[in-house]
Amino acid sequence: EVQLVESGGGLVQPGRSLRLSCAASGFNFDDYAMHWVRQAPGKGLEWVSAISWNSGRILYADSVRGRFTISRDNGKNSLYLQMNSLRAEDMAFYYCVKDSNHFGSGSTSYMDVWGKGTTVTVSS
Amino acid sequence: DIQMTQSPSSLSASVGDRVTITCRASQSISTYLNWYQQKPGKAPNLLIYAASTLQSGVPSRFSGSGSGTDFTLTISSLLPEDFATYYCQQSYSGPPITFGQGTRLEIK
Repeated sequence: EVQLVESGGGLVQPGRSLRLSCAASGFNFDDYAMHWVRQAPGKGLEWVSAISWNSGRILYADSVRGRFTISRDNGKNSLYLQMNSLRAEDMAFYYCVKDSNHFGSGSTSYMDVWGKGTTVTVSS
Repeated sequence: DIQMTQSPSSLSASVGDRVTITCRASQSISTYLNWYQQKPGKAPNLLIYAASTLQSGVPSRFSGSGSGTDFTLTISSLLPEDFATYYCQQSYSGPPITFGQGTRLEIK
């Protein structure tokens, strides 16, 4: 069964850091780009970051660039999101998402597997 | 950035109705357009990719069309399990990869 399981969410004070992890199983992890997508309470979906299959192409939303770092360990079938300098507006449900292709965009790109998500709460 | 605008933002319909949701891109994105369904408390689920290709396992009452800047998602005959929020997403260029604001489909 294809599965993505996020962990690492929780309550953190503004300005502090948090690291999210995503464990992948049931597919060849190192063949696909991966994304983080978030959803603030009661709001729509917001793409956060993407990483290509070999980490050669990394993309960020403007809202997180310079504060968040996406990475992956293909040997461990794992995706990560290091979140620094957290703000109230980063509070959201964070989803780990598999892309359909190597690079994370283009005509053959779509988000075909989603994890259940993990909650990040930023509050003093 | 490519902006994605869905209409309507919310929609009330009855079981058996045919409904259409529209997604407009701020510039041409060819057919690099995907549709997702999200039910309350659940992760989104891919319905359609490349504007009109049905994802495996998705019922045939769902269909997508369009190219360039204008796209539609149609549900031919609503079932109770179709009441959810629907999002379009462009994969033409990034960053950022952008979603529409969502269309909430409610039971009339």
